[in-house]
Amino acid sequence: EIVLTQSPATLSLSPGERATLSCRASQSVSTHLAWYQQKPGQAPRLLIYAASNRAPGIPARFSGAGSGTDFTLTISSLQPDDFATYYCQQYDTYSLTFGQGTKVE
Amino acid sequence: VQLVESGGGLVQTGGSLRLSCAASGFTFRSHSMNWVRQAPGKGLEWISYIDTGGRTTFYSDSVKGRFTISRDNGKDSLSLQMKSLRDDDTAVYYCVRDRPRAAGEFDAWGQGTLVTVSS
Repeated sequence: EIVLTQSPATLSLSPGERATLSCRASQSVSTHLAWYQQKPGQAPRLLIYAASNRAPGIPARFSGAGSGTDFTLTISSLQPDDFATYYCQQYDTYSLTFGQGTKVE
Repeated sequence: VQLVESGGGLVQTGGSLRLSCAASGFTFRSHSMNWVRQAPGKGLEWISYIDTGGRTTFYSDSVKGRFTISRDNGKDSLSLQMKSLRDDDTAVYYCVRDRPRAAGEFDAWGQGTLVTVSS
């Protein structure tokens, strides 16, 4: 099973600041990596797929990068609506796995 | 696009439960589907996949041999039969759609149904 490790666990920032979230895989997943946003009491929402492609309707301030084992999600300028928990997920190999999440507060 | 789960509730340890997911607003038979769960206060865990035709399925090690995923393309519905339930199966269970021809990219989620397993 591929283990995804996200860092940091919590990111404390202010609106307007830049957020950089990291996801490291225990083995290469090529670019088969997605990012999701989840707010309390809600289902997750797909932000990024194939490491760097924004899902439809996702604002341009969200960007993804990386390949192999190291990936980042960047939010260029935090908006009040962006404070949430973010998960990375690999789909290179079944069993699919998620990281443990980064809470942006 | 709408995915509506049902069938959750309180069940005794060792018991069984069947979850359903009603899909609407898209061509259900064109998308592979999944179940993902989230224990209270915890992260996300993928547990099962089924291809568009229902012939290929995958399971996480945590549920393999106990859970069975199935689909009815004529009724636009997805199911998860759960047996030998354990306390650590307590979670919100989400019905999740894959992007077209892109298994693993979860582009639509239901609101979830809570399963509580307790003795």
